[in-house]
Amino acid sequence: GQQLNQSPQSMFIQEGEDVSMNCTSSSIFNTWLWYKQDPGEGPVLLIALYKAGELTSNGRLTAQFGITRKDSFLNISASIPSDVGIYFCAGPKNNNDMRFGAGTRLTVKP
Amino acid sequence: DSGVTQTPKHLITATGQRVTLRCSPRSGDLSVYWYQQSLDQGLQFLIQYYNGEERAKGNILERFSAQQFPDLHSELNLSSLELGDSALYFCASSVEAGVLSNEQFFGPGTRLTVL
Repeated sequence: GQQLNQSPQSMFIQEGEDVSMNCTSSSIFNTWLWYKQDPGEGPVLLIALYKAGELTSNGRLTAQFGITRKDSFLNISASIPSDVGIYFCAGPKNNNDMRFGAGTRLTVKP
Repeated sequence: DSGVTQTPKHLITATGQRVTLRCSPRSGDLSVYWYQQSLDQGLQFLIQYYNGEERAKGNILERFSAQQFPDLHSELNLSSLELGDSALYFCASSVEAGVLSNEQFFGPGTRLTVL
């Protein structure tokens, strides 16, 4: 089963609004990854975080690796319609086993 | 386009049957991962191959098996299919062997429907 708890499960927002989603775990992870999946496509890596406390940006996306190493958040600023999709957090349980959260489904209304 | 290709895109079959899904990694990537994505279980890691050898196993059933060939393409074999095997199956590839600090590139997936 999954060990990453992702919330919210879904979000409906207006274009231009900011979005925040997060991922928590009862276990420590040494790497946090955020992926986006468009309908009919495979997940695409958005941001990778490798160090506790790290804050990384990729355009309008910003993600942080929590200090406790048990959580991470992803923010999207000034959302646009193409931000629609499912966002997954992921982390390697060990060097060979990647775990994924259940995903946050984002809908952006123009 | 991630550079990872998967065939077929869609597959419809009956219970009890056997199917083979195919994946070609990005040029230069030695590692191939297989994932299953279903509505109730989310994205689950199945198995990983690195340069032709099995590297790691996740939640893969005994009815499922995989292999990676000398040209680095990989096949996932699913046998004695059950209704619950209906899912999207993704292949991902990466340059290195471990998932730590290692970006995986996902293919477009194969949608398997078992009737």
